[in-house]
Amino acid sequence: DTEVTQTPKHLVMGMTNKKSLKCEQHMGHRAMYWYKQKAKKPPELMFVYSYEKLSINESVPSRFSPECPNSSLLNLHLHALQPEDSALYLCASSEVGTSYRSRVFGPGTRLTVL
Amino acid sequence: GQQLNQSPQSMFIQEGEDVSMNCTSSSIFNTWLWYKQDPGEGPVLLIALYKAGELTSNGRLTAQFGITRKDSFLNISASIPSDVGIYFCAGQRGSTLGRLYFGRGTQLTVWP
Repeated sequence: DTEVTQTPKHLVMGMTNKKSLKCEQHMGHRAMYWYKQKAKKPPELMFVYSYEKLSINESVPSRFSPECPNSSLLNLHLHALQPEDSALYLCASSEVGTSYRSRVFGPGTRLTVL
Repeated sequence: GQQLNQSPQSMFIQEGEDVSMNCTSSSIFNTWLWYKQDPGEGPVLLIALYKAGELTSNGRLTAQFGITRKDSFLNISASIPSDVGIYFCAGQRGSTLGRLYFGRGTQLTVWP
């Protein structure tokens, strides 16, 4: 298994809703990431987990709450989002060590906040 | 913030033509990655480069890690319509574990 899977593929939510994005990988990678991507822009790093511990939070608003239940799973809990949070949310994974090489991205969740 | 300069921003070419794009940085990187992204999908890794001067091929794609460690290029030979998409370069510095710095992307359009 050499892929990262993400669910759901599309999500529409209101500003008062609570929802979660899910990510899974079975490549044995011990680093997992959340990125946000706006149309025709490069991905922007949000969070990095290394060995199931949060190692980087790129000053992301608290309405985004990451969780890493085990080495294969990564969640992103969403609450009280704003319309400007609408974007493609990408999960990725990689090995750890020398330079966290060759990041593998999932297909993304297209989020629309109304 | 953004540290990689990727060019060109967009390319419109005829099927069968060769394509070249590059990334430059003011900082030294120890890893260069090239990704392709189709609309609504995640980036797919095309080529990974780990050593200065390294030249690596993947089918019709060839990429090189510049000897100064501040640049990389990607060539696509004999382009085909399915090469259409956005190509991103990404670099990693040894002191910034977990962070990839992305170029702004090159939008490639291939006319049949």
